[in-house]
Amino acid sequence: QVQLVQSGAEVRKPGASVKVSCKASGYTFSDYYIYWVRQAPGQGLEWMGRINPDSGGANYAQKFQGRVTMTRDTSITTVYMELTRLRSEDTAVYYCAKVGSSGWSADYWGRGTLVTVSS
Amino acid sequence: QSVLTQPPSVSAAPGQKVTISCSGINFNIGDYYVSWYLQLPGTAPKLLIYDNTKRPSGIPDRFSGSKSGASATLGITGLQTGDEADYYCGRWDSSLNGYVFGTGTRVTVL
Repeated sequence: QVQLVQSGAEVRKPGASVKVSCKASGYTFSDYYIYWVRQAPGQGLEWMGRINPDSGGANYAQKFQGRVTMTRDTSITTVYMELTRLRSEDTAVYYCAKVGSSGWSADYWGRGTLVTVSS
Repeated sequence: QSVLTQPPSVSAAPGQKVTISCSGINFNIGDYYVSWYLQLPGTAPKLLIYDNTKRPSGIPDRFSGSKSGASATLGITGLQTGDEADYYCGRWDSSLNGYVFGTGTRVTVL
């Protein structure tokens, strides 16, 4: 079965960086994009970007351009999302999600990684 | 920035039906499908509807999706207490070259 297993919770100080991992299994890793989506406490879902695990190419939401980098390691079927210059507003649960066969919807989600930014 | 607008909340008694709308100013641009997601408290979102009307395996037919013109709609019939959750629509936006989620709707079973 499809599984996306994310790394554990992180605490960072403002100005620092965080790198969250998402290990995929149960399907052909290179065949489907991965989205990264975040959710601040009590807020809605916010799309951050996507990565093509086959080519490694990524595109990011304009809001995060210059601060986010998505990468992958095909040898261990894992994608990463690194967010730099953290501020308190980046405190959120970060999800990875596999894009389905239709090409756009996210059909499987990781359980989320809580990133807390606090001095 | 493209925003998909949903009503903040809807409610109904057990066994009744609710509908949730999703609309946006660029909704008619392109032919990108709408999806719907369910998020139970404290859990990750789950795909409910994709390609406007299709249900993934395991999603009961109490959940249905439709799209017409400038909006999409999620319908839930035979409302159950377990349906109390937040529901989000989502769609690819070609002008942003990104995915956009709706503002979210809290469903309450009275």
